[in-house]
Amino acid sequence: GDSVTQMEGPVTLSEEAFLTINCTYTATGYPSLFWYVQYPGEGLQLLLKATKADDKGSNKGFEATYRKETTSFHLEKGSVQVSDSAVYFCALANSGYALNFGKGTSLLVTP
Amino acid sequence: DAGVIQSPRHEVTEMGQEVTLRCKPISGHDYLFWYRQTMMRGLELLIYFNNNVPIDDSGMPEDRFSAKMPNASFSTLKIQPSEPRDSAVYFCASSFQGVNTEAFFGQGTRLTVV
Repeated sequence: GDSVTQMEGPVTLSEEAFLTINCTYTATGYPSLFWYVQYPGEGLQLLLKATKADDKGSNKGFEATYRKETTSFHLEKGSVQVSDSAVYFCALANSGYALNFGKGTSLLVTP
Repeated sequence: DAGVIQSPRHEVTEMGQEVTLRCKPISGHDYLFWYRQTMMRGLELLIYFNNNVPIDDSGMPEDRFSAKMPNASFSTLKIQPSEPRDSAVYFCASSFQGVNTEAFFGQGTRLTVV
């Protein structure tokens, strides 16, 4: 079945450092791919998405490119801020309509 | 719109008791999802509805769990009887025309079964 694998956390970075969170997926067909973010005590919010190969999703300085050849959707940001501290979830949606999530990667950004 | 509203935010109950979690989706959304989040298993889809009809309940862990959506603006997730291993954060989410659009999540219900 479909699945998403994310890098284990926690990830700790200094402010203004470069961020990469790796995400790979296994799916048949042509899934849509997403990154969601969860701040402490809150529900998940959509950060960005890509619906077809080679699409790049971007939002709030975060980017991810849908790479079908490597079945990847890595999240990047050039300069993280303390306010980016959160848990990040990679997810896919395939022929069904429900999101299939990775286990999440916790990010802590220190001043 | 106030977003997806879940109640209660926190619930502590004794093992064996019935627990009911509630969700009000965003008006106009036709999909509703229930997820469970634990440290060990991450986010698991329990069940989802389309136009108030359950579409996939294969994630419901066992018969102690049941979910209903009597109308477009309300859904419940019931656990009877509850067990300590049911302790988790339960999220409700809704979307319009599936998840290729955005799924909006509630703030969750933190359930503790003692």
